[in-house]
Amino acid sequence: DAGVIQSPRHEVTEMGQEVTLRCKPISGHDYLFWYRQTMMRGLELLIYFNNNVPIDDSGMPEDRFSAKMPNASFSTLKIQPSEPRDSAVYFCASRRTGGGYGYTFGSGTRLTVV
Amino acid sequence: QQQVKQSPQSLIVQKGGIPIINCAYENTAFDYFPWYQQFPGKGPALLIAIRPDVSEKKEGRFTISFNKSAKQFSLHIMDSQPGDSATYFCAASMSNTGNQFYFGTGTSLTVIP
Repeated sequence: DAGVIQSPRHEVTEMGQEVTLRCKPISGHDYLFWYRQTMMRGLELLIYFNNNVPIDDSGMPEDRFSAKMPNASFSTLKIQPSEPRDSAVYFCASRRTGGGYGYTFGSGTRLTVV
Repeated sequence: QQQVKQSPQSLIVQKGGIPIINCAYENTAFDYFPWYQQFPGKGPALLIAIRPDVSEKKEGRFTISFNKSAKQFSLHIMDSQPGDSATYFCAASMSNTGNQFYFGTGTSLTVIP
């Protein structure tokens, strides 16, 4: 298995621009999570999906953030408009139903908003 | 509110030493406690996990000790090596209600040769 695949690996954009991060979960995993990692706040859960349906988006910082999962093999996290404080590493992770299975994380997207 | 509290923030040990990282939680409904290891530029990777029905679990040089009454658990790395230098995260989840993991703030471990 190729693991959780995220793209792009790095993204540099100007303030005000739209940014779209992409994730392909592991086949057969029915949960998908988006996390943001910063030095100040550590790993923060933004949103998670079960069977392509958003379950909890209470971690999404503001309306500028949105996430979709149109099918079991693809999800996007969009920031519009982007701001410098959005600069962070964004991780996607997937998991299979059933207690005891840890997340598998992707390699992350390092976002820099200038 | 931080559901899982982790300490120390950073740790430096000599090769062969036994670094210990501690985590504490409040929610007694948590029933799964994984540890993740993260190298620079990589995503966190599952290292070892424990359920509260056992007090200790070993996998190679990594051991989790679990104290249910104190609501604490810790990671011990035996015979630490420079290659163990990474950031370690503890986490907790409730397997029967949703699947969100609550992560600690991380411990940066440096093993000096």
